[in-house]
Amino acid sequence: DAKTTQPNSMESNEEEPVHLPCNHSTISGTDYIHWYRQLPSQGPEYVIHGLTSNVNNRMASLAIAEDRKSSTLILHRATLRDAAVYYCIRAGTYKYIFGTGTRLKVLA
Amino acid sequence: AAGVIQSPRHLIKEKRETATLKCYPIPRHDTVYWYQQGPGQDPQFLISFYEKMQSDKGSIPDRFSAQQFSDYHSELNMSSLELGDSALYFCASSPDSGANVLTFGAGSRLTVL
Repeated sequence: DAKTTQPNSMESNEEEPVHLPCNHSTISGTDYIHWYRQLPSQGPEYVIHGLTSNVNNRMASLAIAEDRKSSTLILHRATLRDAAVYYCIRAGTYKYIFGTGTRLKVLA
Repeated sequence: AAGVIQSPRHLIKEKRETATLKCYPIPRHDTVYWYQQGPGQDPQFLISFYEKMQSDKGSIPDRFSAQQFSDYHSELNMSSLELGDSALYFCASSPDSGANVLTFGAGSRLTVL
Protein backbone atom coordinates (compact mmCIF):
# COMPACT_ATOMS: atom_id res chain seq x y z
CA ASP A 1 0.00 0.00 0.00
CA ALA A 2 2.07 2.89 -1.32
CA LYS A 3 2.31 6.02 0.78
CA THR A 4 0.69 9.21 -0.40
CA THR A 5 3.62 11.50 -1.10
CA GLN A 6 3.99 15.25 -0.93
CA PRO A 7 6.95 17.67 -1.14
CA ASN A 8 8.56 18.16 2.25
CA SER A 9 8.31 21.92 2.13
CA MET A 10 7.29 24.83 -0.07
CA GLU A 11 7.55 28.59 0.15
CA SER A 12 5.25 31.28 -1.11
CA ASN A 13 5.12 35.04 -1.01
CA GLU A 14 2.17 36.60 0.73
CA GLU A 15 -0.81 37.41 -1.53
CA GLU A 16 0.42 35.01 -4.22
CA PRO A 17 -1.22 31.71 -5.24
CA VAL A 18 0.20 28.43 -3.93
CA HIS A 19 -0.11 25.05 -5.58
CA LEU A 20 0.51 22.10 -3.26
CA PRO A 21 0.85 18.78 -5.13
CA CYS A 22 0.05 15.29 -3.89
CA ASN A 23 0.80 11.92 -5.43
CA HIS A 24 -1.64 9.12 -4.60
CA SER A 25 -0.94 6.72 -7.45
CA THR A 26 -2.46 3.67 -5.73
CA ILE A 27 -5.70 5.30 -4.63
CA SER A 28 -8.75 3.06 -4.91
CA GLY A 29 -11.74 4.05 -6.99
CA THR A 30 -13.89 4.76 -3.95
CA ASP A 31 -11.37 6.68 -1.84
CA TYR A 32 -11.96 10.40 -1.49
CA ILE A 33 -9.10 12.88 -1.45
CA HIS A 34 -9.11 15.14 1.59
CA TRP A 35 -6.80 17.97 2.54
CA TYR A 36 -6.21 19.09 6.11
CA ARG A 37 -3.73 21.50 7.60
CA GLN A 38 -2.05 21.46 10.97
CA LEU A 39 -0.47 24.15 13.10
CA PRO A 40 2.14 23.16 15.71
CA SER A 41 0.67 21.19 18.62
CA GLN A 42 -2.87 21.50 17.24
CA GLY A 43 -5.22 19.01 15.69
CA PRO A 44 -5.51 18.92 11.91
CA GLU A 45 -8.11 21.26 10.42
CA TYR A 46 -10.24 20.42 7.38
CA VAL A 47 -9.55 22.34 4.18
CA ILE A 48 -11.32 20.66 1.26
CA HIS A 49 -12.16 17.27 -0.24
CA GLY A 50 -13.29 15.68 -3.49
CA LEU A 51 -13.70 12.42 -5.40
CA THR A 52 -13.28 13.06 -9.11
CA SER A 53 -14.31 16.58 -9.98
CA ASN A 54 -12.48 19.75 -9.10
CA VAL A 55 -13.85 21.45 -5.99
CA ASN A 56 -13.91 25.01 -4.71
CA ASN A 57 -14.72 26.40 -1.29
CA ARG A 58 -14.02 29.61 0.55
CA MET A 59 -10.63 28.38 1.71
CA ALA A 60 -9.17 26.75 -1.38
CA SER A 61 -9.60 24.84 -4.61
CA LEU A 62 -8.84 21.19 -5.26
CA ALA A 63 -7.79 20.03 -8.69
CA ILE A 64 -7.93 16.26 -9.20
CA ALA A 65 -6.16 14.62 -12.12
CA GLU A 66 -8.36 12.74 -14.55
CA ASP A 67 -6.70 9.41 -13.61
CA ARG A 68 -6.99 10.36 -9.90
CA LYS A 69 -3.35 9.50 -9.29
CA SER A 70 -2.55 13.02 -8.20
CA SER A 71 -4.20 16.17 -6.94
CA THR A 72 -3.28 19.76 -6.23
CA LEU A 73 -4.48 22.01 -3.46
CA ILE A 74 -4.63 25.62 -4.56
CA LEU A 75 -4.58 28.52 -2.12
CA HIS A 76 -5.52 31.50 -4.24
CA ARG A 77 -3.85 34.18 -2.15
CA ALA A 78 -1.56 32.96 0.59
CA THR A 79 -1.59 34.86 3.87
CA LEU A 80 0.73 34.54 6.84
CA ARG A 81 -2.04 32.61 8.63
CA ASP A 82 -1.84 29.92 5.93
CA ALA A 83 1.60 28.84 7.14
CA ALA A 84 1.08 25.25 8.32
CA VAL A 85 1.73 21.62 7.41
CA TYR A 86 -0.71 20.56 4.71
CA TYR A 87 -1.71 16.91 4.53
CA CYS A 88 -3.23 15.11 1.59
CA ILE A 89 -5.33 12.19 2.82
CA ARG A 90 -6.79 9.11 1.20
CA ALA A 91 -10.20 8.77 2.80
CA GLY A 92 -11.68 5.30 2.66
CA THR A 93 -14.52 3.80 4.64
CA TYR A 94 -13.61 4.31 8.32
CA LYS A 95 -9.92 4.77 7.48
CA TYR A 96 -8.24 8.07 6.58
CA ILE A 97 -4.54 7.72 5.75
CA PHE A 98 -2.37 10.80 5.96
CA GLY A 99 0.24 11.63 3.36
CA THR A 100 3.75 12.76 4.18
CA GLY A 101 2.74 16.43 4.51
CA THR A 102 4.10 19.68 3.06
CA ARG A 103 5.29 22.43 5.37
CA LEU A 104 4.20 25.70 3.77
CA LYS A 105 6.16 28.81 4.62
CA VAL A 106 4.61 32.15 3.67
CA LEU A 107 6.98 35.07 3.27
CA ALA A 108 5.81 38.59 4.10
CA ALA B 1 -20.19 25.10 18.16
CA ALA B 2 -19.20 22.08 20.22
CA GLY B 3 -15.87 20.53 19.28
CA VAL B 4 -14.18 17.20 19.90
CA ILE B 5 -12.99 17.09 23.50
CA GLN B 6 -9.95 15.08 24.49
CA SER B 7 -8.70 14.45 27.99
CA PRO B 8 -6.28 14.66 29.54
CA ARG B 9 -4.42 17.21 27.44
CA HIS B 10 -1.08 16.19 28.93
CA LEU B 11 -0.05 12.98 30.61
CA ILE B 12 3.28 11.83 31.97
CA LYS B 13 3.83 8.16 32.71
CA GLU B 14 6.72 5.86 33.54
CA LYS B 15 7.76 2.91 31.38
CA ARG B 16 5.59 -0.18 31.85
CA GLU B 17 2.71 1.88 33.29
CA THR B 18 -0.79 2.13 31.84
CA ALA B 19 -2.52 5.17 30.38
CA THR B 20 -6.08 5.90 29.29
CA LEU B 21 -7.05 8.67 26.90
CA LYS B 22 -10.62 9.82 26.46
CA CYS B 23 -12.40 11.34 23.48
CA TYR B 24 -15.83 12.99 23.45
CA PRO B 25 -17.07 13.43 19.87
CA ILE B 26 -19.25 16.20 18.55
CA PRO B 27 -22.92 15.52 19.43
CA ARG B 28 -24.62 13.25 16.88
CA HIS B 29 -21.27 12.09 15.49
CA ASP B 30 -21.26 8.31 15.66
CA THR B 31 -17.81 7.62 14.17
CA VAL B 32 -14.54 8.08 16.05
CA TYR B 33 -10.97 7.78 14.80
CA TRP B 34 -7.72 7.61 16.80
CA TYR B 35 -4.34 8.76 15.48
CA GLN B 36 -0.82 8.76 16.91
CA GLN B 37 1.63 11.48 15.88
CA GLY B 38 5.26 11.14 16.92
CA PRO B 39 7.62 14.14 16.93
CA GLY B 40 8.06 15.43 13.38
CA GLN B 41 5.91 12.61 11.99
CA ASP B 42 2.63 12.56 10.16
CA PRO B 43 -0.43 11.23 12.04
CA GLN B 44 -0.68 7.43 11.95
CA PHE B 45 -4.12 5.84 11.92
CA LEU B 46 -4.67 3.53 14.89
CA ILE B 47 -8.30 2.48 14.97
CA SER B 48 -11.85 3.63 14.21
CA PHE B 49 -15.30 2.94 15.57
CA TYR B 50 -18.76 3.30 14.08
CA GLU B 51 -21.86 2.89 16.21
CA LYS B 52 -19.84 1.41 19.08
CA MET B 53 -18.27 -1.29 16.92
CA GLN B 54 -14.68 -1.36 15.74
CA SER B 55 -14.80 -0.50 12.04
CA ASP B 56 -11.15 -0.54 10.95
CA LYS B 57 -7.71 -0.97 12.39
CA GLY B 58 -4.35 0.49 11.47
CA SER B 59 -0.94 0.27 13.05
CA ILE B 60 -2.18 -0.12 16.61
CA PRO B 61 0.15 -2.12 18.89
CA ASP B 62 -1.29 -5.17 20.66
CA ARG B 63 -0.60 -3.36 23.96
CA PHE B 64 -3.24 -0.80 23.01
CA SER B 65 -6.97 -1.32 23.06
CA ALA B 66 -9.90 0.97 22.50
CA GLN B 67 -13.65 1.01 22.65
CA GLN B 68 -16.60 3.26 21.97
CA PHE B 69 -19.30 3.51 24.60
CA SER B 70 -23.07 3.87 24.40
CA ASP B 71 -22.80 7.67 24.61
CA TYR B 72 -20.33 7.51 21.67
CA HIS B 73 -17.34 8.66 23.66
CA SER B 74 -14.24 6.56 23.13
CA GLU B 75 -11.28 5.52 25.26
CA LEU B 76 -7.81 4.43 24.16
CA ASN B 77 -6.08 2.21 26.72
CA MET B 78 -2.33 1.79 26.51
CA SER B 79 -0.51 -0.74 28.66
CA SER B 80 3.16 -1.62 29.23
CA LEU B 81 4.11 1.82 28.02
CA GLU B 82 7.37 2.20 26.13
CA LEU B 83 9.47 5.29 25.49
CA GLY B 84 8.41 5.12 21.84
CA ASP B 85 4.77 5.61 22.81
CA SER B 86 5.53 9.25 23.62
CA ALA B 87 3.46 11.15 21.08
CA LEU B 88 0.45 13.32 20.46
CA TYR B 89 -2.71 11.28 20.28
CA PHE B 90 -5.56 12.76 18.27
CA CYS B 91 -9.15 11.76 18.20
CA ALA B 92 -11.47 12.79 15.38
CA SER B 93 -15.19 12.35 14.86
CA SER B 94 -17.58 12.46 11.91
CA PRO B 95 -21.32 11.95 11.45
CA ASP B 96 -20.63 8.66 9.63
CA SER B 97 -18.17 7.39 7.10
CA GLY B 98 -18.46 7.76 3.35
CA ALA B 99 -15.50 10.13 3.49
CA ASN B 100 -17.22 12.75 5.59
CA VAL B 101 -15.25 15.62 7.04
CA LEU B 102 -13.36 14.73 10.20
CA THR B 103 -13.25 17.13 13.11
CA PHE B 104 -10.15 16.67 15.21
CA GLY B 105 -9.66 17.31 18.89
CA ALA B 106 -6.74 19.29 20.25
CA GLY B 107 -4.89 16.11 21.13
CA SER B 108 -3.47 14.44 24.24
CA ARG B 109 0.28 14.63 24.67
CA LEU B 110 1.67 11.49 26.28
CA THR B 111 5.20 11.54 27.63
CA VAL B 112 6.71 8.25 28.76
CA LEU B 113 9.78 8.56 30.99
